[in-house]
Amino acid sequence: KAGVTQTPRYLIKTRGQQVTLSCSPISGHRSVSWYQQTPGQGLQFLFEYFSETQRNKGNFPGRFSGRQFSNSRSEMNVSTLELGDSALYLCASSLGTGTMNTEAFFGQGTRLTVV
Amino acid sequence: AQSVTQLDSHVSVSEGTPVLLRCNYSSSYSPSLFWYVQHPNKGLQLLLKYTSAATLVKGINGFEAEFKKSETSFHLTKPSAHMSDAAEYFCVVSDHPISGNTGKLIFGQGTTLQVKP
Repeated sequence: KAGVTQTPRYLIKTRGQQVTLSCSPISGHRSVSWYQQTPGQGLQFLFEYFSETQRNKGNFPGRFSGRQFSNSRSEMNVSTLELGDSALYLCASSLGTGTMNTEAFFGQGTRLTVV
Repeated sequence: AQSVTQLDSHVSVSEGTPVLLRCNYSSSYSPSLFWYVQHPNKGLQLLLKYTSAATLVKGINGFEAEFKKSETSFHLTKPSAHMSDAAEYFCVVSDHPISGNTGKLIFGQGTTLQVKP
C-alpha cells in the first residue's frame, strides 16, 4: 500500500511569487490535512479537506489556500510569498470518518525556501 | 480548547538506559492522544495512539505510553534506548468534538531525544 506522496520535495522561490504544493493521500483516505513546520512555531495546522470540502481551518492568512479533488488528492497554494513562509509543509491523510480520530499518516514533506 | 505541553525540550540518555518523555494535555472532553516521531529530514511516523481503550498503550519499536486522566498526562517510555531512537518526538492531541472527526491535530513543541553510546 503506497504511502502519502508529496511533491515536490524541495522548492526555492522568490519573495512575491506564488507556489503550489501537491499531496496524494493513501488510497481510500478521504481526509487530507496540511501542516506548517518551522523551528520557531513548531507544527501548526493549516487546513483540512474532506470529500472536496474544507472542513477545518487554522489561523493562517488568506494567502494560504487549498483544494481537494474528487480522487482525494490535494493541493495547497501560497500566494505573495514572504520570507517567513520558509518551512517544511507536511501533508497528512486519514480515513476522516467516525467519531474517534483515527491516526494520520504523514508524507515526507515539501521543504519551501523563500529568498 | 485542546492543548499539549511537552515538559522537556531535550532529553539525553545513554544507550541501554530507560527513556521517559513527558507530556501533559488539556482537553474539554475525552481526548485522542498520539505520539509521533520525526527523524531528520523525514516525515512523521506514528508510534502509538490512545483512544479511550486500555490506558497502557503499546507502540512500535518497544515504546509505550500510559494515559493518566487524574494527572492529565501521557508520558512516553521505553525500557532500553537504542542509538536509532535519536529523533524528535511529538505528543499530539486530536481536536475533535464529540459530534465527529475534524482531522485537526494539535502538536506539542517536541522533545529532542539524544542517545549517547
